[in-house]
Amino acid sequence: GQQLNQSPQSMFIQEGEDVSMNCTSSSIFNTWLWYKQDPGEGPVLLIALYKAGELTSNGRLTAQFGITRKDSFLNISASIPSDVGIYFCAGPNYGGSQGNLIFGKGTKLSVKP
Amino acid sequence: DAGVIQSPRHEVTEMGQEVTLRCKPISGHDYLFWYRQTMMRGLELLIYFNNNVPIDDSGMPEDRFSAKMPNASFSTLKIQPSEPRDSAVYFCASSFFETQYFGPGTRLLVL
Repeated sequence: GQQLNQSPQSMFIQEGEDVSMNCTSSSIFNTWLWYKQDPGEGPVLLIALYKAGELTSNGRLTAQFGITRKDSFLNISASIPSDVGIYFCAGPNYGGSQGNLIFGKGTKLSVKP
Repeated sequence: DAGVIQSPRHEVTEMGQEVTLRCKPISGHDYLFWYRQTMMRGLELLIYFNNNVPIDDSGMPEDRFSAKMPNASFSTLKIQPSEPRDSAVYFCASSFFETQYFGPGTRLLVL
């Protein structure tokens, strides 16, 4: 079945550093979604990508839809302590029931002030 | 919009007791999802509904779990009887298209 593999699993960085994480799949996706989960809260949508090669920014966040449609990248520039959390990639579950999403296992980000 | 509303936010109960979690989706959304999140297993989809009808319940761990959606603005997830291994954070999410919007979750502890 479809799976999303996120890397790295966790990151420990210094405030001010740039962050890069990615999500890969053996299957093609037509949509990539990036969510962030703050400690003690539910995941919140950060960026949605709908077209291969698309590069979309949201403040200090930039995400790209890979040209092969099998991967996506999320970059955070000049990290700050509130960037701490778990970042999930997600895509439509084409192999399962319509309307469902598949989630990666997440990248846990820790930022040292 | 108030977003997805879940109650209670925290629940502590004893093994064997019935637990009912509640969710109010975003108005106009026609999909509703129930997830469970643990450190070991991450985010797991339990069941989801489309237009109040259950579409896929293959993620429901066992018969102790049941979910209902009597109308477009309300859903419940019930665990009866509860067990310590059910301790987790339970999320409800809703969507109109592909993008799901999550509630704040219910943190369940079964002693």
